[in-house]
Amino acid sequence: AQRVTQPEKLLSVFKGAPVELKCNYSYSGSPELFWYVQYSRQRLQLLLRHISRESIKGFTADLNKGETSFHLKKPFAQEEDSAMYYCALSKTGANSKLTFGKGITLSVRP
Amino acid sequence: DTGVSQNPRHKITKRGQNVTFRCDPISEHNRLYWYRQTLGQGPEFLTYFQNEAQLEKSRLLSDRFSAERPKGSFSTLEIQRTEQGDSAMYLCASSSQGTGVAEAFFGQGTRLTVV
Repeated sequence: AQRVTQPEKLLSVFKGAPVELKCNYSYSGSPELFWYVQYSRQRLQLLLRHISRESIKGFTADLNKGETSFHLKKPFAQEEDSAMYYCALSKTGANSKLTFGKGITLSVRP
Repeated sequence: DTGVSQNPRHKITKRGQNVTFRCDPISEHNRLYWYRQTLGQGPEFLTYFQNEAQLEKSRLLSDRFSAERPKGSFSTLEIQRTEQGDSAMYLCASSSQGTGVAEAFFGQGTRLTVV
């Protein structure tokens, strides 16, 4: 069975501080990993995916297969980063359903 | 807004009533998903369509739930004999078919409250 664990519910930091949102997964194959974000009063949207290996809005995430982790990082948080963040995984194939973690609220204080 | 559209945005119903939600995906997307999200949880997969074919249903989808996508375009999710435990946000997502895992685009959801 596939599972995504986000161990923390809330992370509160000051503007300019580094951010790390933790995500661990279990899956008996080679999954694809994603971070989705939901800003206040907006729909859930893709932030980044591990196969893209790109930085979006200053965020990066590295897939560590040995530790089965996909932590999201940003060196200097901005107030506009305040949102709900969900880690998710999907298997490759026709049904690309997503398995989500419970999410974490990031609050960036001025 | 050319994204995924869901209607209604909010629905309050009495226990035992039937409700139906509609999802209009992005027009060129042939894959459509329904998820359910309860307070403090991430979205949980309910069912998946490729064109008009319903190819997978989660164990969460009891026999009171039925989903259709009759012409491979919009989809409906019906809940019969609603229970208080059905209260949740129901999310629809669509994606295009391609190699690998395509990005899923989500609607704004329908929030169901069963009283």
